[in-house]
Amino acid sequence: GQQVMQIPQYQHVQEGEDFTTYCNSSTTLSNIQWYKQRPGGHPVFLIQLVKSGEVKKQKRLTFQFGEAKKNSSLHITATQTTDVGTYFCAGRNFGNEKLTFGTGTRLTIIP
Amino acid sequence: KAGVTQTPRYLIKTRGQQVTLSCSPISGHRSVSWYQQTPGQGLQFLFEYFSETQRNKGNFPGRFSGRQFSNSRSEMNVSTLELGDSALYLCASSAARRTSTDTQYFGPGTRLTVL
Repeated sequence: GQQVMQIPQYQHVQEGEDFTTYCNSSTTLSNIQWYKQRPGGHPVFLIQLVKSGEVKKQKRLTFQFGEAKKNSSLHITATQTTDVGTYFCAGRNFGNEKLTFGTGTRLTIIP
Repeated sequence: KAGVTQTPRYLIKTRGQQVTLSCSPISGHRSVSWYQQTPGQGLQFLFEYFSETQRNKGNFPGRFSGRQFSNSRSEMNVSTLELGDSALYLCASSAARRTSTDTQYFGPGTRLTVL
């Protein structure tokens, strides 16, 4: 079945440093979504990417969908303490509408 | 609009018992999905309901079942509970009719502990 892996599993950064998490699917995706889950909270939708090679920005966050639509990345510039949480990617196959979540990357910030 | 609500928020059961969890989607949303979240397995898809019909199903045993009512509220049931069923159960609703483009709005979850 479809597998979606994320690396790294954990990332500790100093406040102000950049952060990147990578998402890799075993199959080609029709689209990919990103979610953020704060400690003790529930996942919150951030963005959806649909087109091959698509790049979207939200303030300090940059999301990218690979050309082959099998991988994606989330980059945060100049992290802040509010960025703490676990970031999940979630993808759907063509023809299979199940949303498969990645394994998540837990980001902690050292003030 | 009110968000997705789930009841109860916390639950403690013993092995062999059964449990029913409830989810009320955002008003107007007709799709409800259920996920199991554990530290070891991450977020695992259980099933999705749309207009009272199960539209997708994950790879969970038959002890896990669900249903959706005409008002889009959904319940999931777990029978013959096992220790490994201890998890955070998340419900998510979405508005889109086409599943390939919808986004999920999650509720706060029900924390189930099986002793």
